[in-house]
Amino acid sequence: EAQVTQNPRYLITVTGKKLTVTCSQNMNHEYMSWYRQDPGLGLRQIYYSMNVEVTDKGDVPEGYKVSRKEKRNFPLILESPSPNQTSLYFCASSPGGWVTEAFFGQGTRLTVV
Amino acid sequence: GDSVTQMEGPVTLSEEAFLTINCTYTATGYPSLFWYVQYPGEGLQLLLKATKADDKGSNKGFEATYRKETTSFHLEKGSVQVSDSAVYFCAPYSSASKIIFGSGTRLSIRP
Repeated sequence: EAQVTQNPRYLITVTGKKLTVTCSQNMNHEYMSWYRQDPGLGLRQIYYSMNVEVTDKGDVPEGYKVSRKEKRNFPLILESPSPNQTSLYFCASSPGGWVTEAFFGQGTRLTVV
Repeated sequence: GDSVTQMEGPVTLSEEAFLTINCTYTATGYPSLFWYVQYPGEGLQLLLKATKADDKGSNKGFEATYRKETTSFHLEKGSVQVSDSAVYFCAPYSSASKIIFGSGTRLSIRP
């Protein structure tokens, strides 16, 4: 089944403790992206990648890192999480840029206390 | 910069009512336009899209027409069902090579 898989689905952590949210897609898509969803703000892009080893900042990259060492994986790294990074995070992938359909993971609800 | 404005929610309707969710956008060039839907506890999925003026996207009884002159892409459905309860996002594809999502409209349908 074609899908984007994120893990974990839920995470509660403490301020400053490094964490990684994994994202994997099995559709051989070149484009991948991370978004955060906050009430009243819609989805805001954190980072995106157009291919292996090619990543770029989105609208809200501060406090986040990403890597794209393999086509299928695009982990999101929070080196030192803070409470303002409490949010719902989505990974998405697309075969031909964002003018084509984007496929989303089920989301990771992160709480930083 | 490119932006999108969609109807504030929540919207609550009775089953079989007519639905309209308004969406207007500002964008340079000629963006493709999308509506995504998010069911409870799930990620977003594409509902419909339109890529040029006067195109009508349709899926699952929902429709939206690309109106270049009014820069709008309103979502409509003639008879909503309880299963349509979800959050709906209008999303133009911007010239900056990314999708811009509206703030989302939460729709609740009463039986």
